[in-house]
Amino acid sequence: EDKVVQSPLSLVVHEGDTVTLNCSYEVTNFRSLLWYKQEKKAPTFLFMLTSSGIEKKSGRLSSILDKKELSSILNITATQTGDSAIYLCAVGRPLASNYQLIWGAGTKLIIKP
Amino acid sequence: GAGVSQSPSNKVTEKGKDVELRCDPISGHTALYWYRQSLGQGLEFLIYFQGNSAPDKSGLPSDRFSAERTGGSVSTLTIQRTQQEDSAVYLCASSLYDRVVDEQYFGPGTRLTVT
Repeated sequence: EDKVVQSPLSLVVHEGDTVTLNCSYEVTNFRSLLWYKQEKKAPTFLFMLTSSGIEKKSGRLSSILDKKELSSILNITATQTGDSAIYLCAVGRPLASNYQLIWGAGTKLIIKP
Repeated sequence: GAGVSQSPSNKVTEKGKDVELRCDPISGHTALYWYRQSLGQGLEFLIYFQGNSAPDKSGLPSDRFSAERTGGSVSTLTIQRTQQEDSAVYLCASSLYDRVVDEQYFGPGTRLTVT
């Protein structure tokens, strides 16, 4: 059965710390891995990683895809209280004529001032 | 430009009543998804519409749940005879279907509370 597993489930750190969130997957016909940030109700897109783009960076956030290890990490440096959120990982794959995202349960990140 | 919109933003209903949740995807997006997220849980896939293809209903939890998409645009998720376990945030997403670009754009969600 295809699955996406995120760890840790929750994490509490202090402002200024660096955090690393993990996402591992077992998905047939892998096409892409996406990271989202969810603060209130709707997740917002962070990064998409594919075989042709295995490392992405935006400000203090960066992500790497390790296709050999079937995993990805999301790094946040110099964390701020505004980084507190649930971080979701999803793996995309084609499915017949459709397309499917398989979601992890998320990592709840709390940044203490 | 306009993003994905959903209505209502909050819905409180009594157990046993039917509810309809609406989603307006981004104009031109051919794929539309419904998810739900219970408190403290990850996103649970419900149903997927892609163009004129038959929808993928594999995630619908029971026959009380149904969805339709009219004219390839607006979608309505209907829950009949609501139960307390249906309480969750229902999220709609759309994407410009492409086998490489997979980014989904999410609406703000509808928080459903069944009392």
